[in-house]
Amino acid sequence: AQSVTQPDIHITVSEGASLELRCNYSYGATPYLFWYVQSPGQGLQLLLKYFSGDTLVQGIKGFEAEFKRSQSSFNLRKPSVHWSDAAEYFCAVGTPNTGNQFYFGTGTSLTVIP
Amino acid sequence: DTAVSQTPKYLVTQMGNDKSIKCEQNLGHDTMYWYKQDSKKFLKIMFSYNNKELIINETVPNRFSPKSPDKAHLNLHINSLELGDSAVYFCASSRQGALNTEAFFGQGTRLTVV
Repeated sequence: AQSVTQPDIHITVSEGASLELRCNYSYGATPYLFWYVQSPGQGLQLLLKYFSGDTLVQGIKGFEAEFKRSQSSFNLRKPSVHWSDAAEYFCAVGTPNTGNQFYFGTGTSLTVIP
Repeated sequence: DTAVSQTPKYLVTQMGNDKSIKCEQNLGHDTMYWYKQDSKKFLKIMFSYNNKELIINETVPNRFSPKSPDKAHLNLHINSLELGDSAVYFCASSRQGALNTEAFFGQGTRLTVV
């Protein structure tokens, strides 16, 4: 069965510092992987996605993520965090082979301090 | 133009009532979803539906039922509301069968049962 684990419930970083949010997945086939961001009171916005090819993918707002099959990971990174990045971040796995379902991790809440 | 729109954005109702949340997408997608986000921000898939198949998460009570008048709409009907139904409900859509599809989300409906 598919599952997504985000080990860090909450992370606090200083503005300008680098950021890495962890995501591990479990899925029997080739995974489709996503990172979404949710600002307070808002819906989910796609940051980036991985389907195949280059394992380092670039997204919006300066985010990138790296797919590592050997570690079943898809960690999100940003070199320099801005105060506006404070939000909830969700990793997700898509299962196109089984009815196109999307399964989400429990989310990581990011706080940015000045 | 809003891609995935939900109404209402806020819904406060008493226990035992029946209510519906509407969802419409103008993306031409053929698969739509309902997710429930609890107070801990966990996103749980409730239903996915296209014109061929309804996939139901078996943990969803049968008081919840999706209704799709056409491909662009998937409404969520809830009977006999309970306090535990209080949550934010998100509608989403995607393209079925596409190789590089992601889910597009609405802004959410915050349901409060009193």
